[in-house]
Amino acid sequence: DAGITQSPRHKVTETGTPVTLRCHQTENHRYMYWYRQDPGHGLRLIHYSYGVKDTDKGEVSDGYSVSRSKTEDFLLTLESATSSQTSVYFCAIKENSDYEQYFGPGTRLTVT
Amino acid sequence: AQTVTQSQPEMSVQEAETVTLSCTYDTSESDYYLFWYKQPPSRQMILVIRQEAYKQQNATENRFSVNFQKAAKSFSLKISDSQLGDAAMYFCAYRSRTSGTYKYIFGTGTRLKVLA
Repeated sequence: DAGITQSPRHKVTETGTPVTLRCHQTENHRYMYWYRQDPGHGLRLIHYSYGVKDTDKGEVSDGYSVSRSKTEDFLLTLESATSSQTSVYFCAIKENSDYEQYFGPGTRLTVT
Repeated sequence: AQTVTQSQPEMSVQEAETVTLSCTYDTSESDYYLFWYKQPPSRQMILVIRQEAYKQQNATENRFSVNFQKAAKSFSLKISDSQLGDAAMYFCAYRSRTSGTYKYIFGTGTRLKVLA
């Protein structure tokens, strides 16, 4: 257990509204990631962070922004949610001294 | 750019039997990591096994083992003595060891059904 929590765990929102998902870790890991999981696509990287205020885009970053003002929190924002952003969102960390990623429990987001 | 391909969307295995899940990848790099993750119905992603490309020996974790063929860029997962609890989505993943970006690339997954 890498001490990763995500909030909210479930959210239903309307098209055009802003949405922020939060990822919180308790163990001071440098690298944090946001993925979305969709049937037939596996996990696709949205954004990742390699330190406070240091972020970079993944393969599906359009329509998403991120912020990391503290080591323990990595926020994913959908500025104006669309139905195509209905998905399950996973946060992950890479431990500072290890190779693999560890994942949070996921957030199911539905945009109606 | 690196890619990971899992060509089997779904597999079935009889309880106590052995099943092999396929994964191929494409990269021009020589040093990297490969992973298999399991996602049960609870949705939690769980690391199953890891392989470093510089190691010739195939990784093993209890009933799970890999067949790593570097030249063929193949990384299959073998599950022996399959149990009902092995039913899940399985994802293959790649990470460069030299690029310094620590990005992970995932395949599209294989759904494994275990038949009692």
